[in-house]
Amino acid sequence: DTGVSQDPRHKITKRGQNVTFRCDPISEHNRLYWYRQTLGQGPEFLTYFQNEAQLEKSRLLSDRFSAERPKGSFSTLEIQRTEQGDSAMYLCASSLVQGPTDTQYFGPGTRLTVL
Amino acid sequence: AQSVTQLGSHVSVSEGALVLLRCNYSSSVPPYLFWYVQYPNQGLQLLLKYTTGATLVKGINGFEAEFKKSETSFHLTKPSAHMSDAAEYFCAVTFTPKIIFGSGTRLSIRP
Repeated sequence: DTGVSQDPRHKITKRGQNVTFRCDPISEHNRLYWYRQTLGQGPEFLTYFQNEAQLEKSRLLSDRFSAERPKGSFSTLEIQRTEQGDSAMYLCASSLVQGPTDTQYFGPGTRLTVL
Repeated sequence: AQSVTQLGSHVSVSEGALVLLRCNYSSSVPPYLFWYVQYPNQGLQLLLKYTTGATLVKGINGFEAEFKKSETSFHLTKPSAHMSDAAEYFCAVTFTPKIIFGSGTRLSIRP
């Protein structure tokens, strides 16, 4: 399978704990995106990378959130001091920029539950 | 600013009936539009996209959508619904580089 993969698929944690999610994009895709999806809503943009550079962060990404893409390949999203409001599906997508727009391919997501 | 409105959070049709999911967009520039499908506990799969050119766009699984600039619409249709079409459908507009999604329409298929 050469699609976008995410790990873990499910994470249950207690309030106040730190969690880290990993995303492996489609090989050779130069852009990587993180979105958050809460129940009954569409995904909302969090941040994106072009190669290893983080180029944009949403206001949704509080100081407790940090994302990295150290070698321009996989990415990690860390949430520190989790809160119940962080419970959501975290989706990763990747794309290859070849023109005025690109097609984003999504992974299966990591579902976070904060107790 | 770009935005998307999906009319109807839940649509139910009989198997074999026409599927019509409505989407209206707002964009200050020529839009790039998408429909994605999401099955339970899975990520999003691209159904089809409109960038430029032909306004009737055909996608996977027999779905198609028509871009109507005058109506600022991008409705999704399928002539004959199948049980496997039951899922959540998201209309989206690109606000380069990110995508702005609608709130989704859950499609149910009655036997």
